[in-house]
Amino acid sequence: AQSVTQPDIHITVSEGASLELRCNYSYGATPYLFWYVQSPGQGLQLLLKYFSGDTLVQGIKGFEAEFKRSQSSFNLRKPSVHWSDAAEYFCAVAPPRAGNMLTFGGGTRLMVKP
Amino acid sequence: GAVVSQHPSRVICKSGTSVKIECRSLDFQATTMFWYRQFPKQSLMLMATSNEGSKATYEQGVEKDKFLINHASLTLSTLTVTSAHPEDSSFYICSARVGSGGYTDTQYFGPGTRLTVL
Repeated sequence: AQSVTQPDIHITVSEGASLELRCNYSYGATPYLFWYVQSPGQGLQLLLKYFSGDTLVQGIKGFEAEFKRSQSSFNLRKPSVHWSDAAEYFCAVAPPRAGNMLTFGGGTRLMVKP
Repeated sequence: GAVVSQHPSRVICKSGTSVKIECRSLDFQATTMFWYRQFPKQSLMLMATSNEGSKATYEQGVEKDKFLINHASLTLSTLTVTSAHPEDSSFYICSARVGSGGYTDTQYFGPGTRLTVL
């Protein structure tokens, strides 16, 4: 069975600082990989996804993620965080050829200091 | 972009009553919708997959008689929590799949419904 681990439950960064949110997965093959953001009162919004090809994926809102097969990781990065980025971030995986069967990680709550 | 709405956004009910939650795809048709449950400070857990015009597929451990799902049209799926009890209190989130049915289709999520059972 697939699983997803987000080691950091909470992260606090200063506005303007860089950000990296960690995501590790366990799966026999390379799964499909996703990052979602959840803001209060809003649905989960897809930031980016990886199916195949270039391992560095660009997403919306200035986010990017890098798939590293050797480390079974798909970390999310942003070079300069804005106060509006404060939210809950979820990494998710799905089996290849079944991209709709999402398994979510536990989430990382990002707080941004002024 | 694809928009998914849920109604109500929050509901409080007495133990033993039934509650219906609606999930609508506003600007697209969704042959498949998904229902998730999220406990406080925890991740989303898939409850069931809802296919238009057919019976829902429930994940292991989810009581199908407790959580009734109906997907009567391409834009509406409903989740009814029957005989709700306090342990059913949770955040229920739906999503709808956009695409032609391929495995790279993207899910778009609703804003969620907060259910509190007294």
